[in-house]
Amino acid sequence: GEDVEQSLFLSVREGDSSVINCTYTDSSSTYLYWYKQEPGAGLQLLTYIFSNMDMKQDQRLTVLLNKKDKHLSLRIADTQTGDSAIYFCAESISQATDSWGKLQFGAGTQVVVTP
Amino acid sequence: DAGVIQSPRHEVTEMGQEVTLRCKPISGHDYLFWYRQTMMRGLELLIYFNNNVPIDDSGMPEDRFSAKMPNASFSTLKIQPSEPRDSAVYFCASRRGAGNTIYFGEGSWLTVV
Repeated sequence: GEDVEQSLFLSVREGDSSVINCTYTDSSSTYLYWYKQEPGAGLQLLTYIFSNMDMKQDQRLTVLLNKKDKHLSLRIADTQTGDSAIYFCAESISQATDSWGKLQFGAGTQVVVTP
Repeated sequence: DAGVIQSPRHEVTEMGQEVTLRCKPISGHDYLFWYRQTMMRGLELLIYFNNNVPIDDSGMPEDRFSAKMPNASFSTLKIQPSEPRDSAVYFCASRRGAGNTIYFGEGSWLTVV
């Protein structure tokens, strides 16, 4: 199947690091993504990683990819109250006529940052 | 640059009515996606287009749903007749061909009563 799995909830104290985990199933996925959704808003692309990379860092965000275990994680350093949101992991699913394919999303992880 | 533009942002309609959701992709993007988000099912891909041609419509729930893309800058998602279980947020997204990033609109929040 095409399942992307994430834990549903994460509580973190302001200033601490938060780590959101995700597992995916399609070993041929070319890109893996992290999107952020704030209440009442659309999905904002946070970062992505190409499947031939192990790590990508972008300011406070660090993405780690373990292809062997099909495990993706997003680490947010110095978590702020503005980071409270739902975070979605997504993998690209290639199609026969479209190698870039569509995105398969996880259920989302609700991150709550407490003062 | 303008992002993906969706309208209406919010709609409340009565069961049985026709609903039309609209999307303008980012200029130059040749892929357009329609997603639906509900609490129960999360984010589901309904259909996507490449160069105005539907590539995968396997996510379209049933015959009450239809989507069109008459030109590169406009797409519609129509529900006729609408039912309360269609209540959801409908997202449109677009991508430039061989690029790797899909950009989402702000969503159309549909409530069918």
